[in-house]
This record gives sequence, C-alpha cells and structure tokens, in this order.
Amino acid sequence: AQTVTQSQPEMSVQEAETVTLSCTYDTSESDYYLFWYKQPPSRQMILVIRQEAYKQQNATENRFSVNFQKAAKSFSLKISDSQLGDAAMYFCAYVGQGGSEKLVFGKGTKLTVNP
Amino acid sequence: GAGVSQTPSNKVTEKGKYVELRCDPISGHTALYWYRQSLGQGPEFLIYFQGTGAADDSGLPNDRFFAVRPEGSVSTLKIQRTERGDSAVYLCASSLLPGYQETQYFGPGTRLLVL
Repeated sequence: AQTVTQSQPEMSVQEAETVTLSCTYDTSESDYYLFWYKQPPSRQMILVIRQEAYKQQNATENRFSVNFQKAAKSFSLKISDSQLGDAAMYFCAYVGQGGSEKLVFGKGTKLTVNP
Repeated sequence: GAGVSQTPSNKVTEKGKYVELRCDPISGHTALYWYRQSLGQGPEFLIYFQGTGAADDSGLPNDRFFAVRPEGSVSTLKIQRTERGDSAVYLCASSLLPGYQETQYFGPGTRLLVL
C-alpha cells in the first residue's frame, strides 16, 4: 500500500523568508501524481501545487515550488517570500495509477508565519 | 456552483442517532469522493463515485456507513447508530472526470460531533 510521510508536525517562518516543508512517499507504481494542499482554519482544502511523476521538471506556482526527487521518493514544498496568509496546515498527498483514484494523505505540517 | 458545497457545516448528535451529510459537487463534475479527517490527521478515503455508482467503497469503516448519489450530482453520506468514534470532519471532493490524473477539489467539510 502507498504511504505518505510528513516528518515535520510544525514549522515556523518569518514573514518574507523562505521555508521548506518535507514529504516522502512509498510506492511501487510507475505513474502517479503528487499534491500539496493547504488547509486553513476554515477547513477548506485548497490545492497549492501538483506534480506528475513522469515530468522531470519541478512544478512551480508563483511563490510555491517543489523539489521532486523521484528516486528518493521525496517531494518537498518551498514557499518563498512567506506571507501571513500562508499560515495553515499543509498536506502532502499521493494518487497512483493502480486502479483507485483515492488520495493518500500525510499527517500534515502546521505552518506558522511570524510577522 | 462555483465550488463544492457541503451541508450542514456542523452537526451535533447523540450516540445511536442517524445522520445525513450532503455534498454538492462542482457543476459538471462526474467524479465525487468522500474523505474523513480525524483530529490531527490527514484525510482518509471513504468512498468514490463515478456518476451514480460507487466505483470504490473500500474505505467505508463498517456497514453503519452508506453513501448514495442517485442522479449523478448531489451525494449523501449516511451514518446509522452513530458512535463517539465517528466524530470527525467529513470532506467531500469532486473532479471533472474520473481518473487518477484528475485534480480533486474539496468542499469545506462537515464537522460531526457525536456526544
């Protein structure tokens, strides 16, 4: 079974600084997608960024970028120029080709942004 | 609608009662998913619909849980004889098409508290 591990329960960053959130996963599937979702206190899960395993180029979305290391099964999220609105729970998620479209989530990292 | 909506936002019930949670997916989305998020955890998959039929219900914890999507749009998650352990946030997501390559968009969830 696929698993997703987020080893940092909490992280903090100063406003305008850069922070990296870690995620590792375990799978035997050859094609899959990886996601970072943001969950503020409102509970709404918001898609931050997604990466297809076959694409070697790391995905970027404005201030958010990933470092996808397929061989190491690592998928970290870098947030540049952190803003107060970035404070939230961040979840790493996996979905593979194996016949079920269910997302497998990590336990999340709580990000605090200090002014 | 513009996004996935879920009602009620919060539900408090007593142990042993029956509850229904409703999900309205994004208009035109054919795939619909239910997840459960316990306190301090990432969401866990419950059930997945393609159109009107349940394509994968492997995440339903027991036969007290049931979900329907009779017209291929709105879905209702039904929980019989609720237990205190059922307390969690129930999240619904939808995607335009079925398939692991499709992005799932989440609603704000229903927080269920069983007293």
